[in-house]
Amino acid sequence: KNEVEQSPQNLTAQEGEFITINCSYSVGISALHWLQQHPGGGIVSLFMLSSGKKKHGRLIATINIQEKHSSLHITASHPRDSAVYICAADRGTGNQFYFGTGTSLTVIP
Amino acid sequence: NAGVMQNPRHLVRRRGQEARLRCSPVKGHSHVYWYRQLPEEGLKFMVYLQKENIIDESGMPKERFSAEFPKEGPSILRIQQVVRGDSAAYFCASSADPYGYTFGSGTRLTVV
Repeated sequence: KNEVEQSPQNLTAQEGEFITINCSYSVGISALHWLQQHPGGGIVSLFMLSSGKKKHGRLIATINIQEKHSSLHITASHPRDSAVYICAADRGTGNQFYFGTGTSLTVIP
Repeated sequence: NAGVMQNPRHLVRRRGQEARLRCSPVKGHSHVYWYRQLPEEGLKFMVYLQKENIIDESGMPKERFSAEFPKEGPSILRIQQVVRGDSAAYFCASSADPYGYTFGSGTRLTVV
């Protein structure tokens, strides 16, 4: 079993839909990161969370430390949001993340 | 732009050659991490370095792979005698302390 599990693995949405990607982890963490990877492109850090909720534009990330669960929400989705979204658990020891396998999102116009 | 710079973006090597991947961290960042993404797989940790020191190399293959982060210059991930299974995207990230990571755009290595 992976230390970090994401769902769904693949997601197709119509433009404008509200999207939720879930992440559950089984290890102790100091923070949880959401990353975005475009096809053939690099990785962008979207959020780093240790508690509560953060918002940046149309993106919202939440974390429940007790339940070891985080969600990434995209409001009013757009085709340019099409990418792989990766959840990464930061052990806080400075030496490594545990990565989820990613959620591949396709937003259709 | 003060982001993490990785070069080259794409690297093609024949089996048996050496591959050198470079990562210039964000200015002022002293922590560098290397990750590998095999085709159709997630990211996997390889090595964590601070200036002139390897802190954790638990994710590095035991043979042919080495990494350094010298006092001056970029961090280098070196793969000797490459094989087809080394074909992957290699990402570097840096941080000023163990938080606030910035990722590079990656180097895509193809072994032919």
